Amino acid sequence: DAKTTQPNSMESNEEEPVHLPCNHSTISGTDYIHWYRQLPSQGPEYVIHGLTSNVNNRMASLAIAEDRKSSTLILHRATLRDAAVYYCILRDAYNFGNEKLTFGTGTRLTIIP
Amino acid sequence: GAVVSQHPSRVICKSGTSVKIECRSLDFQATTMFWYRQFPKKSLMLMATSNEGSKATYEQGVEKDKFLINHASLTLSTLTVTSAHPEDSSFYICSARAGTVYNSPLHFGNGTRLTVT
Repeated sequence: DAKTTQPNSMESNEEEPVHLPCNHSTISGTDYIHWYRQLPSQGPEYVIHGLTSNVNNRMASLAIAEDRKSSTLILHRATLRDAAVYYCILRDAYNFGNEKLTFGTGTRLTIIP
Repeated sequence: GAVVSQHPSRVICKSGTSVKIECRSLDFQATTMFWYRQFPKKSLMLMATSNEGSKATYEQGVEKDKFLINHASLTLSTLTVTSAHPEDSSFYICSARAGTVYNSPLHFGNGTRLTVT
């Protein structure tokens, strides 16, 4: 799987938007960009995924660069419950039989009250 | 939404004993489940892919005789840590895909914290 690069940590104030960047310069044409997050002492939780177009759901928005070499996860209004490690993962849409997710080190997001 | 349940959430065992961890998909069928291990302050490392009705596929470096995986039904996979030692103490997490579309998100259990004394 292609590699992603994320900052080790970020801080944000409560009730403000948060932009979590991810670089994936070696992304292939069939790689989807997935985001998961892991709250303390819990298993990871799916956040959002996309291929080329920007995506929105109830949890977050995903902004994908036109050349797809980077993306940004946007939390529109951070709460203390959003403090977690956020993982940006590439997943080949056509790698049937190999659905596993490979986790990098992620970004540890701290929310300041 | 799809729920993956792990049991137990915490277990303490003595060195040399075996521990079984269960992973259940509560409201969907999962032909494939994944087992991860996570050490403190580290990322998740995939241990093996569990396939219903067939042998599990282990990642390089993971001892298949030590970490026994059984996926006997479409809703249950088990991981047995045999002859556990203190270095096996870790956070074990399972996951499964709920949707029928390949690129559907994976759903994760809440993990099992194993402490070997």
